[in-house]
Amino acid sequence: GENVEQHPSTLSVQEGDSAVIKCTYSDSASNYFPWYKQELGKRPQLIIDIRSNVGEKKDQRIAVTLNKTAKHFSLHITETQPEDSAVYFCATHNTGGGNKLTFGTGTQLKVEL
Amino acid sequence: DAGVTQSPTHLIKTRGQQVTLRCSPKSGHDTVSWYQQALGQGPQFIFQYYEEEERQRGNFPDRFSGHQFPNYSSELNVNALLLGDSALYLCASLWGRRLGTEAFFGQGTRLTVV
Repeated sequence: GENVEQHPSTLSVQEGDSAVIKCTYSDSASNYFPWYKQELGKRPQLIIDIRSNVGEKKDQRIAVTLNKTAKHFSLHITETQPEDSAVYFCATHNTGGGNKLTFGTGTQLKVEL
Repeated sequence: DAGVTQSPTHLIKTRGQQVTLRCSPKSGHDTVSWYQQALGQGPQFIFQYYEEEERQRGNFPDRFSGHQFPNYSSELNVNALLLGDSALYLCASLWGRRLGTEAFFGQGTRLTVV
């Protein structure tokens, strides 16, 4: 079945620096790639997503890049702020293979003052 | 507009017991998926309900079953609880069954099996 690897598992940055989280996937038919942010004790919330026909997408300080050939995608957060501290999950979906999201193992991001 | 609501928020059960978790989808959504999130892990897909039928299932045993009602709300039932079933159970809703649009998650039910 589909496998999603996510790195790093923990990431600590200084406020104002950039943070990059990387994911690789195994199912070449995956065509939808969302990123979720989960604060402690709260629900996962979608922060950005990208479809397979797009290589890059940006929303203010957040961007996602997708390399379908290499089967990896990355989340980039610029000008990090303390409120960016949370666990971030990447996920994949194959619209032809059903309706489930396959999640990575998560990255604990800590933004230090 | 209410988002996805789940009940109860926390639950403690004894090994071997049965549990029922409930989910009300976001207004306008007709599809409900259930995920299990163990501590420190990403959510794992259990199954999805659409039009009151289970449409897809992940790698979970038959002890995990569910139901969807005509109002699109859903239940997750787990029989013969094991210690390893302790986790956060998340419900996600979307419209039209197929992903590619945002799946909204509930706050989850924290199940502890002792």
